[in-house]
Amino acid sequence: DTEVTQTPKHLVMGMTNKKSLKCEQHMGHRAMYWYKQKAKKPPELMFVYSYEKLSINESVPSRFSPECPNSSLLNLHLHALQPEDSALYLCASSNPRGGTSQETQYFGPGTRLLVL
Amino acid sequence: QKEVEQNSGPLSVPEGAIASLNCTYSDRGSQSFFWYRQYSGKSPELIMFIYSNGDKEDGRFTAQLNKASQYVSLLIRDSQPSDSATYLCAGYSNYQLIWGAGTKLIIKP
Repeated sequence: DTEVTQTPKHLVMGMTNKKSLKCEQHMGHRAMYWYKQKAKKPPELMFVYSYEKLSINESVPSRFSPECPNSSLLNLHLHALQPEDSALYLCASSNPRGGTSQETQYFGPGTRLLVL
Repeated sequence: QKEVEQNSGPLSVPEGAIASLNCTYSDRGSQSFFWYRQYSGKSPELIMFIYSNGDKEDGRFTAQLNKASQYVSLLIRDSQPSDSATYLCAGYSNYQLIWGAGTKLIIKP
């Protein structure tokens, strides 16, 4: 089973709203990722959690706030977003193998976000 | 700057023919490479990964890696209209994936 789930599938929010995106995996993976993807572009890494600790933060604006409550869950809290933040937000997970580079990331279906 | 380069296409291939997708990378330290397929509006779906020089086959798909030339390719045999999608090549470097821009593949019936 290589399933990563994301909720909601679609989200429309105003620039003053606060919302959260949720991601869950039950594959026992210990690394989880948030990506942002704009149309006709590859995914752009935002955050990486490895063993529930934030290990990579790609200089993302503070209006995006990640949270990893446990090894299966990953949240992305959104506040005061801008219209240019409208994109497909993808969650992925992988199983780090310490010292090797043979990680395979499995993606969830994504959340389509529209900021008005 | 670590880069993965792909021709954005579109690459148009007749149904039943072999589709050949190519990717080059700049980081010689990259050891693993991944091919993802992405349909419009959907998330990337893993097709294959490869980390050894040579060919790796899985059904209609063959991934090829040439570390000396820093070149990765994906061959799709007996192409079907359902193979029409964007194919993303990614190399694993410094604990993250470095993505190519993706090649749009169109299979013509």
